This record gives sequence, structure tokens and C-alpha cells, in this order.
Amino acid sequence: KQEVTQIPAALSVPEGENLVLNCSFTDSAIYNLQWFRQDPGKGLTSLLLIQSSQREQTSGRLNASLDKSSGRSTLYIAASQPGDSATYLCALRQTDSWGKLQFGAGTQVVVTP
Amino acid sequence: NAGVTQTPKFRVLKTGQSMTLLCAQDMNHEYMYWYRQDPGMGLRLIHYSVGEGTTAKGEVPDGYNVSRLKKQNFLLGLESAAPSQTSVYFCASSYRTLYNYGYTFGSGTRLTVV
Repeated sequence: KQEVTQIPAALSVPEGENLVLNCSFTDSAIYNLQWFRQDPGKGLTSLLLIQSSQREQTSGRLNASLDKSSGRSTLYIAASQPGDSATYLCALRQTDSWGKLQFGAGTQVVVTP
Repeated sequence: NAGVTQTPKFRVLKTGQSMTLLCAQDMNHEYMYWYRQDPGMGLRLIHYSVGEGTTAKGEVPDGYNVSRLKKQNFLLGLESAAPSQTSVYFCASSYRTLYNYGYTFGSGTRLTVV
């Protein structure tokens, strides 16, 4: 059974520092991996999607890497801002899964001014 | 605004009561999902549907039933609520392209069973 782990569970950084969020998984037979952002009282918003054949994806200040062989993905957020405060979730889609996602527990990020 | 709407947003139930959570999407998505989110455990899939009239069990289906009589609606029912079902429930819908699914999540229903 696939296990998805996110470490740390919580992180607090001063504004301007770079954020590094980790996601590890036990079964490398994934179709793709997504990073989501969750704000209190709101739904999840997709940030980046990496296909299993890709090594990284970038969008603005966000960069996500994927290493299937070691079962790891990392989300980098450059020059953090208070508006980046949220919970970040990674989610895997297995092959032939009808779009079902398996989530990690998330990393709660606080960026202090 | 197009999206996924969950009703209600908050609810308190007594043990043994029943209720139905409604998820409605207006994007003509084929696929719909119900997840629950508990502290420290991430989102876990309860049931899902790959089209109107079809449903299937997810990772944690016990104590829940679902129906998808109309393409735009996905209902989650609790027949006899238990304190273990206290959670935040998220509905999502998705479209499918050749290689990917695109997801839209609702804002959640916070359910407390006392």
C-alpha cells in the first residue's frame, strides 16, 4: 500500500527566506504527483503537477522536483512572503486509478513579516 | 462562479442521527470524489464516481453511502452518525484529458458528531 509522508508537519520562517517542503512515498509506480495549497476554510488549489517522466516543474517562485527512484518530491518556494502562509499538500496519482489521489498529511507553513 | 459547491458548510449531529452532504458542480465534469480530512492524516478517499449512475468505494467507505443520480450532483450519506465520523469533508470533481485529470475542490463541510 502506498504511504505518503510530509516532513516537517509545520514550519515557520521569516519573510524572504526560501521554503523547502518535502514529500516522500513508498511505491514508485506513480502516474504523477501534484502539490496543492490549502487555505483555512477553503478548498485545495493545485500549484504544480509533475508527470512521472519529468524531473521538475516550475511556476513563478515555485519549483517542484521529483525523484521516483528514491520516492521523493520537494517543493521550493523562493523568497517567501506572508501570503505564502498556508498548508501545502502533496498528492500522488497511481496508474489506472480513475483519477483517485493519495495525499500526504501536509506541511503547515507560516511566513512572518 | 463555476466550481464545486458543498452544502452545508457546518453541521453538528448527535450520535445515531443521519444526514446527507450535497456536492454540486457546474463544470460538466465526469468524475467526482468525496474525501475526509482528519488532523495529521491528510485527505482520505471515501467514495468516488466516474459518471452519472456509477459509484465505487474508496479507502475508507464504511459508514457512508453515496449516490450520483445526476451528473452534476454527488451525495454523501451518513445513515447512523458516529463520533469517529467527526471530520472535514471535501468534495472534488475532475475532467480527464488524454494524460491528466484537472481537479476542482469544494471548500469543505465541517461535521461534528457528539
